[in-house]
Amino acid sequence: GQNIDQPTEMTATEGAIVQINCTYQTSGFNGLFWYQQHAGEAPTFLSYNVLDGLEEKGRFSSFLSRSKGYSYLLLKELQMKDSASYLCAVRDSSNDYKLSFGAGTTVTVRA
Amino acid sequence: ETGVTQSPTHLIKTRGQQVTLRCSSQSGHNTVSWYQQALGQGPQFIFQYYREEENGRGNFPPRFSGLQFPNYSSELNVNALELDDSALYLCASTPGGKGFEQYFGPGTRLTVT
Repeated sequence: GQNIDQPTEMTATEGAIVQINCTYQTSGFNGLFWYQQHAGEAPTFLSYNVLDGLEEKGRFSSFLSRSKGYSYLLLKELQMKDSASYLCAVRDSSNDYKLSFGAGTTVTVRA
Repeated sequence: ETGVTQSPTHLIKTRGQQVTLRCSSQSGHNTVSWYQQALGQGPQFIFQYYREEENGRGNFPPRFSGLQFPNYSSELNVNALELDDSALYLCASTPGGKGFEQYFGPGTRLTVT
């Protein structure tokens, strides 16, 4: 099975940087995803890491360390629209399409 | 806009009833997964269908069942509804040949009273 932990809530100021950590313990690992979910909406894909290191995509970056079972999502130059839940999800090595999600981190951006 | 649609948007059912939720994917998306998301939680994997056959299942009882059709639509059926089945039900489809990015629909909010 999978055990995925991430903080419940984080608050930051507009224009600042926030780092959301995710730790996981898995029986089989085949990639880690970050999704953004606004209240009442579907999750939308942000990033995917399968190898160790940093993946940068605009204001968002994601890091993975497989040996430590650790990832983080870095949000830079925060905007009000970034207020959302951020979900860490691990892909199971036994099934490419099965994602195991953490409970999500609610980020609130304040002016 | 992911091109994945779900119906209905909201639904209220009584304990013991049966419900069918629907999902329509883009053409070429031959894998569909269903997830249950309780309030304040991350989505939980229910099952996945590939080319109209179940291809993986999470820890959900047999009263959760599904179908996938050749026209890239699919259904989630839940029998003998329980209060704990109240949740947002999400379907996610994946394009053939691209195995990692899942496109989620907007979800169906099911309330069981």
